[in-house]
Amino acid sequence: QVQLVQSGGGVVQPGRSLRLSCTASGFTFSHFGMHWVRQVPGKGLEWVAFISYDGSLKYFGDSVKGRFTISRDDSKNTLFLQMDSLRTEDTALYYCAKDRPYTSGWYEYFFDHWGQGTLVTVSS
Amino acid sequence: DIQLAQSPSSLSAAVGDRVTITCRASQSIGRFLNWYQQKPGKAPEVLMYAASTLQGGVPSRFSGSGSETDFTLTISSLQPEDSATYYCQETYRRTFGQGTKVEIK
Repeated sequence: QVQLVQSGGGVVQPGRSLRLSCTASGFTFSHFGMHWVRQVPGKGLEWVAFISYDGSLKYFGDSVKGRFTISRDDSKNTLFLQMDSLRTEDTALYYCAKDRPYTSGWYEYFFDHWGQGTLVTVSS
Repeated sequence: DIQLAQSPSSLSAAVGDRVTITCRASQSIGRFLNWYQQKPGKAPEVLMYAASTLQGGVPSRFSGSGSETDFTLTISSLQPEDSATYYCQETYRRTFGQGTKVEIK
């Protein structure tokens, strides 16, 4: 079965960096795009970043553009989120999620599997 | 940017009630809208994609409709296990609505 196991969260000071990991199993990782989504505890969902199946396309939410980087290592079935210049407002539970296209159309997809979430707390 | 406004933000209904949640987009998004259910302490799970296509394994009491800017998620007969927060998501910019919390009376 599909599993996405996350690691790398923790407490970090403002301005510092942190890297999150998401290790996939149960599917051919290199065939699917992947996303990061975050959620401030008790609040709603915010999409953060996307990387295409081959790594050629990367998109970011406006609130993290220029500070976060998304990458993947298909040899290790692992997705990464490098978070630099962290701010207190980046404090959230971060989820990785697998992209599931339902046709070949560019906007025709949903997130069909999610990781367990990893908490990032940015505080001095 | 596309904004999604869900209503109501929360509701309380009895087991067996019909429940409707609305998601309104700030501009036309065709039928590129998904619905997710999130239970406390858990990751979201997809219920519906392309506005009205039920994801495999999701009970048939869930249904979706709409297009362009106005969408609805309906639970035909509310069950105790449906207590959760529901989110719509558009797939142009991947924006989520703010969520609707459904509680059982």
